[in-house]
Amino acid sequence: GIQVEQSPPDLILQEGANSTLRCNFSDSVNNLQWFHQNPWGQLINLFYIPSGTKQNGRLSATTVATERYSLLYISSSQTTDSGVYFCAVEEDTGRRALTFGSGTRLQVQP
Amino acid sequence: EPEVTQTPSHQVTQMGQEVILRCVPISNHLYFYWYRQILGQKVEFLVSFYNNEISEKSEIFDDQFSVERPDGSNFTLKIRSTKLEDSAMYFCASSELLGSSYNEQFFGPGTRLTVL
Repeated sequence: GIQVEQSPPDLILQEGANSTLRCNFSDSVNNLQWFHQNPWGQLINLFYIPSGTKQNGRLSATTVATERYSLLYISSSQTTDSGVYFCAVEEDTGRRALTFGSGTRLQVQP
Repeated sequence: EPEVTQTPSHQVTQMGQEVILRCVPISNHLYFYWYRQILGQKVEFLVSFYNNEISEKSEIFDDQFSVERPDGSNFTLKIRSTKLEDSAMYFCASSELLGSSYNEQFFGPGTRLTVL
């Protein structure tokens, strides 16, 4: 099956700093989603981004499907951004299941 | 904004007992999923369900698991005889069916299952 690798595994930032999270995947994908898992364990949809660039406030994401990677940008980070960020992909094989990466654990310090 | 809901939020059970986890998908969605996340690990796909039957399942989804849509709104995951290693957060998700390519999945808040 498809492999999804996220980097870095852990990231500590000071409030106000910017960061870039990366997601590499091993095969063609139909869809790609970014999630934020908050401290209560909930998975919050951030972006549905099989290709191209999207922005939502301080967050933006870019997927280059032909090169099999996606980037999540967090600008002016806040303590509420802390948690685990997951990338998940749907293989271009007709399967609708999402395959998740191992996540990037972000801690934003005041 | 419509959302996926799950009950209970936390379930504690004894090994060998049956549990049923419940989900109410978003009302106009037609594809339903269960995923699980063992503590500290990544989220793993269990099963997908469409048109009242299992569409796809992973190797984790063995004979101890079953899914059902008992009525027009609920979607359930049953574990027949729980094991210690079934302790995990279980997420329900749903998606619309808009052609073959659009499949944004929306997740519920999860049920934390603890098997003692």
